[in-house]
Amino acid sequence: AQKITQTQPGMFVQEKEAVTLDCTYDTSDQSYGLFWYKQPSSGEMIFLIYQGSYDEQNATEGRYSLNFQKARKSANLVISASQLGDSAMYFCAMREINFGNEKLTFGTGTRLTIIP
Amino acid sequence: DTGVSQNPRHKITKRGQNVTFRCDPISEHNRLYWYRQTLGQGPEFLTYFQNEAQLEKSRLLSDRFSAERPKGSFSTLEIQRTEQGDSAMYLCASSLRGGRVNEQFFGPGTRLTVL
Repeated sequence: AQKITQTQPGMFVQEKEAVTLDCTYDTSDQSYGLFWYKQPSSGEMIFLIYQGSYDEQNATEGRYSLNFQKARKSANLVISASQLGDSAMYFCAMREINFGNEKLTFGTGTRLTIIP
Repeated sequence: DTGVSQNPRHKITKRGQNVTFRCDPISEHNRLYWYRQTLGQGPEFLTYFQNEAQLEKSRLLSDRFSAERPKGSFSTLEIQRTEQGDSAMYLCASSLRGGRVNEQFFGPGTRLTVL
């Protein structure tokens, strides 16, 4: 069974600093995808970045990058130059890529607060 | 381009009542998902549709829950005989089959409170 673990319930970071949000996963599948979503107080989940298990390069999307360490089964999100608008809940999620499986399994999230 | 919409945004009901939520996905998306999120937790998968076919249901979806997507467009999630444990945020998402990422786009959710 797939499982996502996020061990940081909350983090406080000074504006303009970089921040790393931890995510470890467990799966017996060789083919899977890892996602990060942002959930502001409004409630809507916003897709940030994706990493496939066979991708050789770490994914990057603007200020977001994913530090993918396959052997350690970790997929940490790095946000560079944090902004006040980055304050939100952040969820790591995984989908095992096999026929018929479309569900995302989420971690419990990390609440990030950016301090001015 | 409009995103995923959900109605109502908030619903307060008394235990034992039936409730129905609606989700309108992004227009060209053929896959639609329902998740439930309780306080302090990440979303948990409930069910998903490809077009009008319901292809997977979680064990969380007890027989009091039913979801439909009659014409492959909008979807409804009905909870019969609500219980206080049903209080949660119900999230709908949609995606387009094909492509490498198949990211799911989420709506704003319907927050259900059962008194």
